[in-house]
Amino acid sequence: GESVGLHLPTLSVQEGDNSIINCAYSNSASDYFIWYKQESGKGPQFIIDIRSNMDKRQGQRVTVLLNKTVKHLSLQIAATQPGDSAVYFCAESAGNQFYFGTGTSLTVIP
Amino acid sequence: KAGVTQTPRYLIKTRGQQVTLSCSPISGHRSVSWYQQTPGQGLQFLFEYFSETQRNKGNFPGRFSGRQFSNSRSEMNVSTLELGDSALYLCASSLDVPGQNSPLHFGNGTRLTVT
Repeated sequence: GESVGLHLPTLSVQEGDNSIINCAYSNSASDYFIWYKQESGKGPQFIIDIRSNMDKRQGQRVTVLLNKTVKHLSLQIAATQPGDSAVYFCAESAGNQFYFGTGTSLTVIP
Repeated sequence: KAGVTQTPRYLIKTRGQQVTLSCSPISGHRSVSWYQQTPGQGLQFLFEYFSETQRNKGNFPGRFSGRQFSNSRSEMNVSTLELGDSALYLCASSLDVPGQNSPLHFGNGTRLTVT
């Protein structure tokens, strides 16, 4: 089966600082990646995606970086806010199914 | 556009019973996937339906089943419930084949507790 792992299970950052959440994937054939945010009591919410023909993509306050050489994905959140506190998942796909990591819990300290 | 709707939000059942969960996808989305989420396990794929056909299935016992209707709404059923079935069950819809540049959009899940 696929293996999608996160380097850190928890991350605490000061409000206003930048956050970086990392993800390692094992399938070199994976060509589509997504970051999700899950708040307590809710389902995962789509944040940003990236295809393997790109190495960087930016959204509102978020940037995803893809390094296919080392099979590594990261999510950068600029000026982290209390509302960013949640569990973040990366997901990878090589075709017809997504595989999810176990998630990183981000806590923003006011 | 309304998001993915799952009902009920909470369920409490006893061992041996069976349960049916319902999911209404985003309008226009033809694919519905189901996941089980438990603490520390992440999201475990159950199955995926497209145009009323199961296209993909995860590694769950036959007690877990599902179906999709002509309006793309989907249901999943768990029979002979076990304590270990207690989990958050998430439904996700996508425009086309999940993973082929078609992201999953999740509902808020059904929290099932088996006692």
